Amino acid sequence: DAGVIQSPRHEVTEMGQEVTLRCKPISGHNSLFWYRQTMMRGLELLIYFNNNVPIDDSGMPEDRFSAKMPNASFSTLKIQPSEPRDSAVYFCASNLQGASNQPQHFGDGTRLSIL
Amino acid sequence: DAKTTQPPSMDCAEGRAANLPCNHSTISGNEYVYWYRQIHSQGPQYIIHGLKNNETNEMASLIITEDRKSSTLILPHATLRDTAVYYCIVRVAWGAQKLVFGQGTRLTINP
Repeated sequence: DAGVIQSPRHEVTEMGQEVTLRCKPISGHNSLFWYRQTMMRGLELLIYFNNNVPIDDSGMPEDRFSAKMPNASFSTLKIQPSEPRDSAVYFCASNLQGASNQPQHFGDGTRLSIL
Repeated sequence: DAKTTQPPSMDCAEGRAANLPCNHSTISGNEYVYWYRQIHSQGPQYIIHGLKNNETNEMASLIITEDRKSSTLILPHATLRDTAVYYCIVRVAWGAQKLVFGQGTRLTINP
């Protein structure tokens, strides 16, 4: 079975540019999560969706960050305008939230470098 | 979610059992213990979770003390591919879905 698929795997761009990260969750999963990992702050949750609806976006750093989930099989995380401090690895994860206790499954991340 | 404490690093010889401890002294009755690991340049990988009984799967065993204030993840026959950062996370099973990752334990398996 295909796992969580993220694209691109690597992105290098100049500050001020718009960056769009993409995620395809595991088929059948109804919750999707965006995490960011840096050396200083470790892994931290940015936002999560349940049934395509944003539930908790308290981790989104500021208005430059936005996330959407137009359907059950696709989500985007957008940064506009980007800044060097946004450089990090961004992970997407998904799971099936319901009566049972399901773990989150992670993609391999997008390594973002803002110059 | 309860806070966890793990040693920053550990070493283990290949073929031996790796025992990774985790303290979670403020755990609540409805909180589970989860273990994930992160191999270099990959996303975190789920290993195992439990509430109060010991658990075993194809990857590892989880031993939770009777007072639930600490647990140990056991990799019975460690291989070089088990070199990774291991995270112990405590959270409720239902409700908030957030996983709060600490600094984890960097496990190095030596040949």
